Amino acid sequence: GNSVTQMEGPVTLSEEAFLTINCTYTATGYPSLFWYVQYPGEGLQLLLKATKADDKGSNKGFEATYRKETTSFHLEKGSVQVSDSAVYFCALGTDKLIFGTGTRLQVFP
Amino acid sequence: SQTIHQWPATLVQPVGSPLSLECTVEGTSNPNLYWYRQAAGRGLQLLFYSVGIGQISSEVPQNLSASRPQDRQFILSSKKLLLSDSGFYLCAWNNRRAYEQYFGPGTRLTVT
Repeated sequence: GNSVTQMEGPVTLSEEAFLTINCTYTATGYPSLFWYVQYPGEGLQLLLKATKADDKGSNKGFEATYRKETTSFHLEKGSVQVSDSAVYFCALGTDKLIFGTGTRLQVFP
Repeated sequence: SQTIHQWPATLVQPVGSPLSLECTVEGTSNPNLYWYRQAAGRGLQLLFYSVGIGQISSEVPQNLSASRPQDRQFILSSKKLLLSDSGFYLCAWNNRRAYEQYFGPGTRLTVT
């Protein structure tokens, strides 16, 4: 069946460090891929998306590229800020949206 | 633009009491609607989804139920709460032509 696997957290970084959060998927067909962010005590916000192979989604300095050959959609940011501290969810869209378990990011000044 | 509301924002209820959480969407019509639960420090569990008025699909058998009395209103209910019902409840919507879902601010439920 369809599934999403994210790296275990927490990921702890200093401000201005480079961020990578790994996400791989298993799916039949051609799913859409998403990253959501959840700040403490809030709902999920759509961060970025990609709908076909080699698409790059980007928003607020975050990027992720849809890699069909490696079935991956890793989230990257060149320089994180304390305000990026949150939980990040990778998700796969086919007939429904399937979420990964989430990765907590903690950024310290 | 579309907005999604949930209330109440927080709720503390004793074991065995009833529950009613409400979700409404503005600025769109005929949305798909979803209820998720998020236990502390955990991922999302899809509870129910609806593609139209009166149409409810249950993903996980439990003591919760859902109803959709109007096109943009989605209600989560229980007749008798359990301790294990504690969690963060999220409502979401999407339109029929896209996979991405948009989430409400959530309701934090504590069952004591």
